[in-house]
Amino acid sequence: QKEVEQNSGPLSVPEGAIASLNCTYSDRGSQSFFWYRQYSGKSPELIMSIYSNGDKEDGRFTAQLNKASQYVSLLIRDSQPSDSATYLCAVFLSSASKIIFGSGTRLSIRP
Amino acid sequence: NAGVTQTPKFQVLKTGQSMTLQCAQDMNHNSMYWYRQDPGMGLRLIYYSASEGTTDKGEVPNGYNVSRLNKREFSLRLESAAPSQTSVYFCASSEGLAGNTDTQYFGPGTRLTVL
Repeated sequence: QKEVEQNSGPLSVPEGAIASLNCTYSDRGSQSFFWYRQYSGKSPELIMSIYSNGDKEDGRFTAQLNKASQYVSLLIRDSQPSDSATYLCAVFLSSASKIIFGSGTRLSIRP
Repeated sequence: NAGVTQTPKFQVLKTGQSMTLQCAQDMNHNSMYWYRQDPGMGLRLIYYSASEGTTDKGEVPNGYNVSRLNKREFSLRLESAAPSQTSVYFCASSEGLAGNTDTQYFGPGTRLTVL
């Protein structure tokens, strides 16, 4: 089992709909979780960080964390073509004392 | 502020050649990192420096060396390049106040091809 797992996609969502991206992790003791967005040929940039169970909202983005089930998700409301990118989940694994990135989910917003 | 800068942006090497990738940050961050990104593999940590004067191995350190020259600069050296080291290399930095759990800021990347 990979330490941080994401569905590679591509995930195709119509413009204006909600895009839902999921990530699972192996270390139950992990406490810090991050979502990065990466446009093709560019570097990753942070969208959201979440540390507590529940939801955290920032504009059109909502991060959801469920430590009991060991998953973290990212919802993008009112999806726009500019949201088309690869989304990387990152988890600070307490067992390894370092941040591990998932392989990313490619999201495509169709007009 | 330029943030995190990397040089060069592109590089082609022949097998066995050596080179150094340079990284600098102007955010007064304590921690710096080197990653490689291969298709379908996500970002893999090569080496990191939690603070000036310290370096530690990451997930894939073999074939690489690093130097934390000062608080601003963190270089990655390939002593004898191999085709398996063809990749995109990203440098990142973070405040480092929370034991490497804080937000990382990435440079623009270096695309390296080893023939």
